[in-house]
Amino acid sequence: SQQGEEDPQALSIQEGENATMNCSYKTSINNLQWYRQNSGRGLVHLILIRSNEREKHSGRLRVTLDTSKKSSSLLITASRAADTASYFCATNTGGFKTIFGAGTRLFVKA
Amino acid sequence: EAGVAQSPRYKIIEKRQSVAFWCNPISGHATLYWYQQILGQGPKLLIQFQNNGVVDDSQLPKDRFSAERLKGVDSTLKIQPAKLEDSAVYLCASSFPSGTGGNFGMNTEAFFGQGTRLTVV
Repeated sequence: SQQGEEDPQALSIQEGENATMNCSYKTSINNLQWYRQNSGRGLVHLILIRSNEREKHSGRLRVTLDTSKKSSSLLITASRAADTASYFCATNTGGFKTIFGAGTRLFVKA
Repeated sequence: EAGVAQSPRYKIIEKRQSVAFWCNPISGHATLYWYQQILGQGPKLLIQFQNNGVVDDSQLPKDRFSAERLKGVDSTLKIQPAKLEDSAVYLCASSFPSGTGGNFGMNTEAFFGQGTRLTVV
């Protein structure tokens, strides 16, 4: 079963623009994490936001969490060609499992 | 710090054959995960270990998949016999557990290996 679903499925932007990806989930969570996956590489953890947090920043990344709407967003500011990758949200429901969504494929054109 | 090591990187087998994947987590990480990622999809958790004990294997097809983590360090994932639909990337990840009350979910950062790309023909 899929807990988190990202939107859009694919996104193409110009270098320097901002990229926003959204994640919606179905059940209450303990925390939500965003990961990046470059072509041919493993997943890299970007940010973890807990259920009692509303916003976190890390460099050019900004994550928001709205537990009332069961949604999160990842904003990448001033995007670079190197940001081209698939981005996944993963929800931890306080049990033993962390479930990944299908991902958003971001393409940044130089 | 050394990352999560996986081998082999690539494997091609015929259906009904057997295959095994190996994972060496980051030193000191008690939690180890095996994920299956089919092309175009997100990773799906197959099994999660806490030290050498299984804490979740609800999505592991136990009629053909098995995994073990002897001594709470290295882990192997085996498929026997393989089917065409097992073609995927198998990702191993590890994390240092946090939380209380037996909550061994990924409350802290998980580190992923490069994965093993399995093709079943």
